[in-house]
Amino acid sequence: GNSVTQMEGPVTLSEEAFLTINCTYTATGYPSLFWYVQYPGEGLQLLLKATKADDKGSNKGFEATYRKETTSFHLEKGSVQVSDSAVYFCALGPSDYKLSFGAGTTVTVRA
Amino acid sequence: DAGVTQSPTHLIKTRGQHVTLRCSPISGHKSVSWYQQVLGQGPQFIFQYYEKEERGRGNFPDRFSARQFPNYSSELNVNALLLGDSALYLCASSPLGGGSTDTQYFGPGTRLTVL
Repeated sequence: GNSVTQMEGPVTLSEEAFLTINCTYTATGYPSLFWYVQYPGEGLQLLLKATKADDKGSNKGFEATYRKETTSFHLEKGSVQVSDSAVYFCALGPSDYKLSFGAGTTVTVRA
Repeated sequence: DAGVTQSPTHLIKTRGQHVTLRCSPISGHKSVSWYQQVLGQGPQFIFQYYEKEERGRGNFPDRFSARQFPNYSSELNVNALLLGDSALYLCASSPLGGGSTDTQYFGPGTRLTVL
């Protein structure tokens, strides 16, 4: 079945540092890939998505490219801010109507 | 435009009780999905409903049930609550019926605590 393996955290960075969170997947067919972000005490917000190989999703300075050859969808941001502190989830699907999520990576950005 | 709304925000129940959680999808979305997120983990799929029919079910016991109404809102019901049911319950709506390019948009969740 479909599954996602996400870089373990927590990750602690200083403001303006470069952020990368690794995500690899196992899937049959051609799923879409997503990054969701969860701020403390809140639900999930869609950060970006890519629906086919070589697509690049981008939003709020974050980017991720759907790499079929390496089955990866790594999240990157060139210069993080304190407001980027959150939990980030990689997800793939829908398959059988569901999204499959990684375990989440907690990112803390210090001023 | 209003996003996905869920009620209540927080809920405290005791073991053995029953709970009903509610969700209203984004206007125009006909599909609603439910997920359970235990602290420190990623969300786990419970159900998906499209046009009032159950399209998908995750690996959850029969104590969990759901339905979708003609206005596309949905309820998640959990009977005979266990301590392990304590979690954030997330509702997501999507415009399509769950195809590979469908995008799910999540609500703020209902935090259920079972004592």
